[in-house]
Amino acid sequence: QVQLQESGPGLVKPSQTLSLTCTVSGGSISSGSYYWSWIRQPAGKGLEWIGRIYTSGSTNYNPSLKSRVTISVDTSKNQFSLKLSSVTAADTAVYYCARDNRATDAFDIWGQGTMVTVSS
Amino acid sequence: QSALTQPRSVSGSPGQSVTISCTGTSSDVGGYNYVSWYQQHPGKAPKLMIYDVSKRPSGVPDRFSGSKSGNTASLTISGLQAEDEADYYCCSYAGSYTFWVFGGGTKLTVL
Repeated sequence: QVQLQESGPGLVKPSQTLSLTCTVSGGSISSGSYYWSWIRQPAGKGLEWIGRIYTSGSTNYNPSLKSRVTISVDTSKNQFSLKLSSVTAADTAVYYCARDNRATDAFDIWGQGTMVTVSS
Repeated sequence: QSALTQPRSVSGSPGQSVTISCTGTSSDVGGYNYVSWYQQHPGKAPKLMIYDVSKRPSGVPDRFSGSKSGNTASLTISGLQAEDEADYYCCSYAGSYTFWVFGGGTKLTVL
């Protein structure tokens, strides 16, 4: 079965760039049936969709974060990545990668999540 | 502030039914039949429970059902069980500019 796993630094300094990678196992990221999304959740708060990428490299971003977000895909490694620039304490959250299934119009598989803290 | 409005908390006794509402606008919930619901236990990743307003993924008990009327979607859980105690989030497609919006989440307590 398909599994997703986030990886990256757990601590980022203010004004720097947050970088995370999601590794897809048990299936191909190149399948045309899915988008690949990043979603975050500050402690004790709700979920926020950050953006997504298609296997072709086409991206869509949350308008509120668009100026700071870049999502990329590496099909040779079966991975996709998130970069969030100019971070502040408000970007402290658990970051999830998730599969956005075009057939169900929903996030049907999630990674376990990784906590990222923005602090000096 | 989340785009979709959910009650902060609901509760029910084992065996009872509860309904969680999710209110949006004609630009999201009311405009598309792409509402999904997620269950999240503490420290865990969300789990898809309902998609396309009322469809259940394989493996989700039929005690979970979804519906929509106008700009409000609802998740109903019947025959409450202790393991249903969790946070529940709704999500809706919101068009080709905003894409996906979530509700603020509802904490379900099984008394």
